[in-house]
Amino acid sequence: DAKTTQPPSMDCAEGRAANLPCNHSTISGNEYVYWYRQIHSQGPQYIIHGLKNNETNEMASLIITEDRKSSTLILPHATLRDTAVYYCIVRVPGNTGKLIFGQGTTLQVKP
Amino acid sequence: ETGVTQTPRHLVMGMTNKKSLKCEQHLGHNAMYWYKQSAKKPLELMFVYSLEERVENNSVPSRFSPECPNSSHLFLHLHTLQPEDSALYLCASSQDLTVDTEAFFGQGTRLTVV
Repeated sequence: DAKTTQPPSMDCAEGRAANLPCNHSTISGNEYVYWYRQIHSQGPQYIIHGLKNNETNEMASLIITEDRKSSTLILPHATLRDTAVYYCIVRVPGNTGKLIFGQGTTLQVKP
Repeated sequence: ETGVTQTPRHLVMGMTNKKSLKCEQHLGHNAMYWYKQSAKKPLELMFVYSLEERVENNSVPSRFSPECPNSSHLFLHLHTLQPEDSALYLCASSQDLTVDTEAFFGQGTRLTVV
C-alpha cells in the first residue's frame, strides 16, 4: 500500500480555513486518496475522497496535485467541533476494500 | 448517525468470560469490517466480510471469533481475553469492496478486560 505522511499536529483559528497536507509520493495511478477524521473516542467519520480531480462536498474540499504525489484537505471555515484527528489514506484497488490508517494529523481549532 | 450501530457501547469483562459485540447496519451494504484501536495506536483491521463470507483475517488470535449471519449483522465473539485486548472495537460497512466506495463506521465498543 502507498504510504502517506502527515504532520502530527496543527492549529487553526476558529473561522479560518484549515489546510491539512498529505504526502503520498509512491501512489499508483489507480489508487484513491481518502480522508477521514476521528473525534475523541468516536468512530472515524468519512470526509471526502478523490482520484485525480479536485473534489468538494458539504464538509470539505480535496486538492490533489497534478502529479498526485500530495494532496490537501481544506475545511473552509473551521469550527471548534472540527477539532479531531484527520487521516489521509491511500486506498488500493482489489485489496478487500480495506482502509489502512496511519497516525494522522491532530487538528486543534482554537477560539 | 452513520447508519452503523454497535452494542454495547461499553463492556467490562473478566479474562474467563465470554461476550459478544454486535454491529448492525441498515444501509444495504454488502461488506462489513472489524477494526481494533488500542490506546495511542492507529486503527488495525481485524476482519473483512463480503456477502457474508470472510475475505480477510488479519492474523487475529483465535480468542476473537467473528460471525456474519447476514449482510446486515456482524458479531465479534470474545473468549478468554487478555488485559492487552482492552481497546475500542469499531465496526464499519461499505457498499462493496471496490475502491471507490466509502466506508461508514459505528461509534465503537469500548472494551476493558480485567
